[in-house]
Amino acid sequence: SAVISQKPSRDICQRGTSLTIQCQVDSQVTMMFWYRQQPGQSLTLIATANQGSEATYESGFVIDKFPISRPNLTFSTLTVSNMSPEDSSIYLCSVGTAGVPPYEQYFGPGTRLTVT
Amino acid sequence: GQNIDQPTEMTATEGAIVQINCTYQTSGFNGLFWYQQHAGEAPTFLSYNVLDGLEEKGRFSSFLSRSKGYSYLLLKELQMKDSASYLCAVIRTYKYIFGTGTRLKVLA
Repeated sequence: SAVISQKPSRDICQRGTSLTIQCQVDSQVTMMFWYRQQPGQSLTLIATANQGSEATYESGFVIDKFPISRPNLTFSTLTVSNMSPEDSSIYLCSVGTAGVPPYEQYFGPGTRLTVT
Repeated sequence: GQNIDQPTEMTATEGAIVQINCTYQTSGFNGLFWYQQHAGEAPTFLSYNVLDGLEEKGRFSSFLSRSKGYSYLLLKELQMKDSASYLCAVIRTYKYIFGTGTRLKVLA
C-alpha cells in the first residue's frame, strides 16, 4: 500500500480567494485522483491527474475552477479557485494501480476546507 | 448514466450481524469495492468483488451478483468500533463511482 499525505489538513478561507492543496505519495504511482466529499455525503470524483498532460475532468467539474498539476509520479496539486461557501467540503486525493486489477485505491487523509 | 444506491442509515446492536446493500446501474463494470470511513478520516479498503459470489475476510464478507446489479457487505459479531460509514464503489475502467454511503450506528 501507499502512504499519502496532504497539505493543508484544514483551512478556513474567504470567498473569492483560491487555495492549493498538495498531495504527496511515498512511491511512484500511475494514477492519482482528486475527490470531493461534501458534508454528510459520499465521494465524488473531480478529476484524474495525469503526469505530463492535462487532467481529465468529470462531468460538472472544469479546469478553470479546479486546476490540477501533476509534475511527477509522486506529487499532485489541486487548486480550488474563486471560492464560494458551496466549495466547503473535504478534498481527498487517492492513488491507484490502473491497468493492474483489482484497481485498488488508497486515500489521503483529506483537506477540510471551509469558505466563509 | 450511473446510479449506485445504498440505505442512508442503519442501526444494529453490538454482537449482531448486519447486511448493507448496494444496488447499481452503470455502463461498464470492472468490479466493486467496499470501503469503511470513520468520521473525519479517509476511507479504508474492506473488500473487493469482480466475479459473482461471496468473498470472506474475517468478520466482513461481500457478495456480488452482476446480473442483478447488486452487492452486499455483511458484518458479523458487530463491535462498537464498526460504527462508521460504509461506501460501495463500482469500478468503470480504472475509475471509482461511489455509492451514496450508509452510516452504521452500533448500539451497546
